Amino acid sequence: DTAVSQTPKYLVTQMGNDKSIKCEQNLGHDTMYWYKQDSKKFLKIMFSYNNKELIINETVPNRFSPKSPDKAHLNLHINSLELGDSAVYFCASSQWQGANTGELFFGEGSRLTVL
Amino acid sequence: AQSVTQLGSHVSVSEGALVLLRCNYSSSVPPYLFWYVQYPNQGLQLLLKYTSAATLVKGINGFEAEFKKSETSFHLTKPSAHMSDAAEYFCAVMDSSYKLIFGSGTRLLVRP
Repeated sequence: DTAVSQTPKYLVTQMGNDKSIKCEQNLGHDTMYWYKQDSKKFLKIMFSYNNKELIINETVPNRFSPKSPDKAHLNLHINSLELGDSAVYFCASSQWQGANTGELFFGEGSRLTVL
Repeated sequence: AQSVTQLGSHVSVSEGALVLLRCNYSSSVPPYLFWYVQYPNQGLQLLLKYTSAATLVKGINGFEAEFKKSETSFHLTKPSAHMSDAAEYFCAVMDSSYKLIFGSGTRLLVRP
């Protein structure tokens, strides 16, 4: 039973399209994240939600819109996709940041390719 | 602002040899430091963490890291490399808003 699961694992699409990536965690964690890993393996946080509330919003284009329907789910919607959006997107979860020991549990990633 | 620097984007060792992956940190407060490992086509998983207790931290799979304040370092070591250790390794520091700031990663290659 996968702790943090993301769908789809692979996504190939044309520039200008809109796409979504879904994430679910069954660990009972309060906090969820989206990270972007570029082609050089550099990993950067995009968003963080705690119990459905946005708590971290890095400098990300507003074409990216996260949505958290409940604390076990955090989805990422991307409008008007651009070539530079090609990357692997990782969802992660952890306990609430106040008790956060820094241990994040990551999904397997969603590889987005924009043509 | 907190940051980490990983020296060497690629490290290659022979099976059975010592593994040493370098990480230096920058932090104005006592840092919380981490090593994560990413196997091919997988997400990251925690290897070990330093949270101001013992300076020598033991992790999973025989890895350990030593926090050295005087050198602002948190290098990862393993006495004897195994083929299954081949992966990407990330050092990270927690910043004041509880975000994890990752280094650029070091790819460990293990030669038979």
